Amino acid sequence: AQKVTQAQTEISVVEKEDVTLDCVYETRDTTYYLFWYKQPPSGELVFLIRRNSFDEQNEISGRYSWNFQKSTSSFNFTITASQVVDSAVYFCALSERGGGSEKLVFGKGTKLTVNP
Amino acid sequence: GAGVSQSPRYKVAKRGQDVALRCDPISGHVSLFWYQQALGQGPEFLTYFQNEAQLDKSGLPSDRFFAERPEGSVSTLKIQRTQQEDSAVYLCASSLGRGRSVGDEQYFGPGTRLTVT
Repeated sequence: AQKVTQAQTEISVVEKEDVTLDCVYETRDTTYYLFWYKQPPSGELVFLIRRNSFDEQNEISGRYSWNFQKSTSSFNFTITASQVVDSAVYFCALSERGGGSEKLVFGKGTKLTVNP
Repeated sequence: GAGVSQSPRYKVAKRGQDVALRCDPISGHVSLFWYQQALGQGPEFLTYFQNEAQLDKSGLPSDRFFAERPEGSVSTLKIQRTQQEDSAVYLCASSLGRGRSVGDEQYFGPGTRLTVT
């Protein structure tokens, strides 16, 4: 069965600090996709990144970076030099290729608060 | 260039009433998903359509929940005889739907917040 665990319920940092959000997943499939979404206070989920299980290259997009390690079933997300606008709930999600549909299985989310 | 839209944004229903929630996906998106998000939790899958075909309804919590997408675009999620435990935000998402081998990202609407009193 698919499962996504985000052990950090809430994180609070001061602006300009770096912060890493952890994501650990479980799947029996060899082909799967991992996602990160941001949910700001307005409520709408915003897509950040998609990764497939074949590609373990780390990715950087501006202040955001992602570290995918199949050996530890982790897909962690780092924000460098955090800003107040980064305050949101962040969700990690998993989609299996072999499943019956393209549904996403989400973790419970990590609420990030960036204080000025 | 519109995104996914949902209506109404807020709905208050008395216990026992029926409700209908609407989703307009991004134009050209083949796949459409409904999720339920309880307060402080991650979204949980309800059902999935590819065009007008409902391919997965394994997440629907009871037979009071029904979804349709008759023409392969707009979708409606209907909840009959609402109960207090149905109170949640109902999210709709759409994707290009190029198949499981691609794993397209899903784009979400703003959600409908349902409160059952």
